[in-house]
Amino acid sequence: VQLVESGGGLIHPGGSLRLSCSVAGLSVRGNSFSWVRQAPGQGLEWVSVIYTAGSTDSADSVKGRFTISRDTSENTVSLQMNTLTPEDTAVYYCARHSANGPSQRLNWFDPWGQGTLVTVFS
Amino acid sequence: QSVLTQAPSVSGAPGLRVTIACTGSGSNIGAGFDVHWYQQLPRTAPKLLIYGNNKRPSGVSARFSGSKSGTSASLAITGLQAEDEAAYYCQSYDTSLGGYVFGTGTEVTVL
Repeated sequence: VQLVESGGGLIHPGGSLRLSCSVAGLSVRGNSFSWVRQAPGQGLEWVSVIYTAGSTDSADSVKGRFTISRDTSENTVSLQMNTLTPEDTAVYYCARHSANGPSQRLNWFDPWGQGTLVTVFS
Repeated sequence: QSVLTQAPSVSGAPGLRVTIACTGSGSNIGAGFDVHWYQQLPRTAPKLLIYGNNKRPSGVSARFSGSKSGTSASLAITGLQAEDEAAYYCQSYDTSLGGYVFGTGTEVTVL
């Protein structure tokens, strides 16, 4: 199983960026995926999830600005980021959800991609 | 601002044992949600270390162990080695926030 993120870069405040996570070794349709970010020198922050059933959820810090989606034909998971601010500057990781049972709330993240850097600057 | 609190750093001599605490509340760990642990080596992506409070994925050294009690969880590293120098994060779910949460992270230094 391999996850490869792309799409990061430099962007001005208020701009938009679309990140992509290319998945190899398993189907995005049959798995749940999250985006997790890490600001420079900081800890990990969960951003958004798309569950197996297609439902999605996001952290309050990005709700209404970020949208997670998947393309089953391309086997990719994407994160559309709008109205970016300097506080969104971070490495963005794509990660697959794993679980022992049906409860999504017990999920952990494995594996992770290598990450893609998003820098929002004036 | 994470709802799971960890000490910023911990250190130990090679061969010794260190523990990392992850303190939560009644809306996350105390609500019965599992705790998972990740190791992040410098300039790399996080890697799953412990899942379901105390289970090790295949390939993870038995020197790493996890436990959970009440509103807290702990990660123990025995026989500390130089290669264990990394940041360690706990993770769970929080019903008040309605999402997954990570701990503030702990940097382990091998003296």
